Amino acid sequence: EVQLVESGGGLVQPGGSLRLSCAASGFTFSSYWMHWVRQAPGKGLVWVSRINSDGSSTSYADSVKGRFTISRDNAKNTLYLQMNSLRAEDTAVYYCARYYDILTGYRDWGQGTLVTVSS
Amino acid sequence: QSALTQPASVSGSPGQSITISCTGTSSDVGSYNLVSWYQQHPGKAPKLMIYEGSKRPSGVSNRFSGSKSGNTASLTISGLQAEDEADYYCCSYAGSSPVVFGGGTKLTVL
Repeated sequence: EVQLVESGGGLVQPGGSLRLSCAASGFTFSSYWMHWVRQAPGKGLVWVSRINSDGSSTSYADSVKGRFTISRDNAKNTLYLQMNSLRAEDTAVYYCARYYDILTGYRDWGQGTLVTVSS
Repeated sequence: QSALTQPASVSGSPGQSITISCTGTSSDVGSYNLVSWYQQHPGKAPKLMIYEGSKRPSGVSNRFSGSKSGNTASLTISGLQAEDEADYYCCSYAGSSPVVFGGGTKLTVL
């Protein structure tokens, strides 16, 4: 059974930093591209970032470019999102998702971790 | 990349059919038959319901179907059931972006 378990969310002050983790199991983690998608309270899904299977290529939404860094450790089957210079508008539930392939999209999602940016 | 356009809400009675539209541009929906649809119940993670425009993952009811015409994709749910009440999101491959989501549609089963 595929499992994606996010952790690391919490309350942080504006300008602060947080690192999210996503522990993967039930599939060959190193074979898949992984994404982060976020959802502000009461709002829709928004793509944040993606990383290819070996970690050599990354991409970011304009809203987080230069502040967030996606990475992965295939030996630990774990995906990360380092979030710096956090703003109130970054408040959201952050989901990690397995991008199965270009035809299928997101076959598997984690349960999400809430990040709240507030003073 | 702008979000795909979905109606904010749709509703239907049990047993009826409803259709949710998802309008993009020639850079996303119009260029690729790579639209997926996700169902999200309150407080839960999204669930893949349709991929590649019209295909269903195993385990998803055949009451759910997808289609596309030009820059607009659609999700149709037939034989509405109470458990279908949820938020629905479309998502399209968008090349270098690399994906773009719709704003979401709240389905109410009356």
